[in-house]
Order: sequence, then C-alpha cells, then structure tokens
Amino acid sequence: DGGITQSPKYLFRKEGQNVTLSCEQNLNHDAMYWYRQDPGQGLRLIYYSQIVNDFQKGDIAEGYSVSREKKESFPLTVTSAQKNPTAFYLCATRHPYEKLFFGSGTQLSVL
Amino acid sequence: KNEVEQSPQNLTAQEGEFITINCSYSVGISALHWLQQHPGGGIVSLFMLSSGKKKHGRLIATINIQEKHSSLHITASHPRDSAVYICAVLFYGGSQGNLIFGKGTKLSVKP
Repeated sequence: DGGITQSPKYLFRKEGQNVTLSCEQNLNHDAMYWYRQDPGQGLRLIYYSQIVNDFQKGDIAEGYSVSREKKESFPLTVTSAQKNPTAFYLCATRHPYEKLFFGSGTQLSVL
Repeated sequence: KNEVEQSPQNLTAQEGEFITINCSYSVGISALHWLQQHPGGGIVSLFMLSSGKKKHGRLIATINIQEKHSSLHITASHPRDSAVYICAVLFYGGSQGNLIFGKGTKLSVKP
C-alpha cells in the first residue's frame, strides 16, 4: 500500500540532545513537508522540500534541520537549539496542485 | 497579513443533524483544503478546491471566491464524524509549501 510512515510515534528528548524524526514515503511525491502542531494552534511549517537535495525554511525553522538525500525520505532533526520542542510533528507529501497526504505523527516530549 | 479564521471553534451535535463548519480568509487564494484530524492525531485530506463545490459521500465542501469564504457540510452526522476539522489555504503568490492553517473546529457528535 502507498503511504507515509513516520517514526517513532513517541519520542523523548533530554536537555542538550539532538533527536531525529523519520518520514518515509512510497507515493512518489516530489514535495515533502514538516509541520509542528501545538495545542490550540494551527499547523505551522518547519521545512519543506520540492525536490531531492533541495529544501526551504518555513515559518519556524530555527532549532531544526532537515536533509533530502532521497526522494522517499525527509528526516527532521530537532537540535538542542530548539528550546521548546514539545509538540506533535507531522510529515506530509503532495503532488503539485493536489491534496496533501499526512503521516500519523510523532509526539515529542522533553524529559 | 494572510489569515485563516474558522468558526465555530467547538461544535456539539446530535446524531443525524446537518452540520456546517465555516472558514474565512483575508486575501485571494489559489486553493483551499479541508482536513480531518482524529483523536489519535492522524490527518486525512478531505477536499481541495479552488471554486464551486465538491461532494464525497455525506461531506460537501463549497467555496465563494468573492466572499472569501468556504463551508464544510456534513449531512446525517454520525458519532464517527467526531474529529477536528481544519481549513488550510494557499494564498496567491505563496509557494506550494506555504499553506496557512486555521486552528480547527472540534466536532463532537452524540449518539
């Protein structure tokens, strides 16, 4: 079945630690996105990539980094510079001018 | 400032009722998305539209470009429709990565 796989479902970060969230897709979509969701707020764009080896900052990129070495994969690293990382993180993909497809999300918490 | 406003914020209905959720935006758009987020966090894309009306099963989405307003209707509502419904828009001139999301409408359908 085609889809998006996010892992892990739950992740805990210690102070000063970098953690990486995985996003893999087999939909053959060029565009991939990372969003952050906080309670009572709309989804906010962290980073997006429209092609392999290229990505753009979103509205809240500070403290995060990404890579796009393969079309299928778009991992997000939450660095120690992100002082408030507790949130629900969603990965999404789409063809241009078509609907979005979302992964099941990763809940990140701070120990 | 490009903004997306949803109403109501919370909505409780009895099974079988006709439901309307509203989305208003501030400037011209090239596309509007309706999304459904279930309690587990996963998001499903319901509709993408830029004009007129779309229907899928008991769900109907309409958009009025002149009034900068979209509605999502659910006919014969059922408890399984309980979820958060999110409107997202791509404003004219925005990159394909720059969807702006509303804060969502939390719907609860009682049996």
